[in-house]
Amino acid sequence: GESVGLHLPTLSVQEGDNSIINCAYSNSASDYFIWYKQESGKGPQFIIDIRSNMDKRQGQRVTVLLNKTVKHLSLQIAATQPGDSAVYFCAENSYSGGGADGLTFGKGTHLIIQP
Amino acid sequence: KAGVTQTPRYLIKTRGQQVTLSCSPISGHRSVSWYQQTPGQGLQFLFEYFSETQRNKGNFPGRFSGRQFSNSRSEMNVSTLELGDSALYLCASSLFPSGSGTDTQYFGPGTRLTVL
Repeated sequence: GESVGLHLPTLSVQEGDNSIINCAYSNSASDYFIWYKQESGKGPQFIIDIRSNMDKRQGQRVTVLLNKTVKHLSLQIAATQPGDSAVYFCAENSYSGGGADGLTFGKGTHLIIQP
Repeated sequence: KAGVTQTPRYLIKTRGQQVTLSCSPISGHRSVSWYQQTPGQGLQFLFEYFSETQRNKGNFPGRFSGRQFSNSRSEMNVSTLELGDSALYLCASSLFPSGSGTDTQYFGPGTRLTVL
């Protein structure tokens, strides 16, 4: 079916280390992918996005990699800080016969930063 | 530029009642989407509005409805509330509708609805 999933519900890393959060998607028609960060009591916050005509995009301390061959998306966070503690969601544009259907979200990975 | 705002932030209702939630998009954004977030089902797409028209709808019963006004503000309504409707309802806005190529969605803080 059309779904976006994450490999790990929880990821614990040491402060200062790099984090990699993975996501698998199943809809080969998806052409737009986004990573969101959600802190407790807040709405999802846009981090970075990537379109299917790219395989890598960099932002400030974050990099998103897209492998369309295996339908895999990853978010790399460099030098993690306490403020990076949150739940991270990947999302993709969904499509049906009637056109775009909004975003389909994965279940989320809870990133825990250990001091 | 102000972000997406949602009111109220918290609501407590009882079964059978109805509720209306409000969303004001980022200035200049014309598309508004609604999502339901629960611990069990995660984030699920409810519907999207653009230019006062519903473009698409997720897999939710007809008790869930919405509308958009000429100033792009949107409301969603849930009638005959059930216990399972307890959730965080999130609104997201974008410049143009999903699938248009300029459709990055920015989320509001959400409305926490509790049904007793």
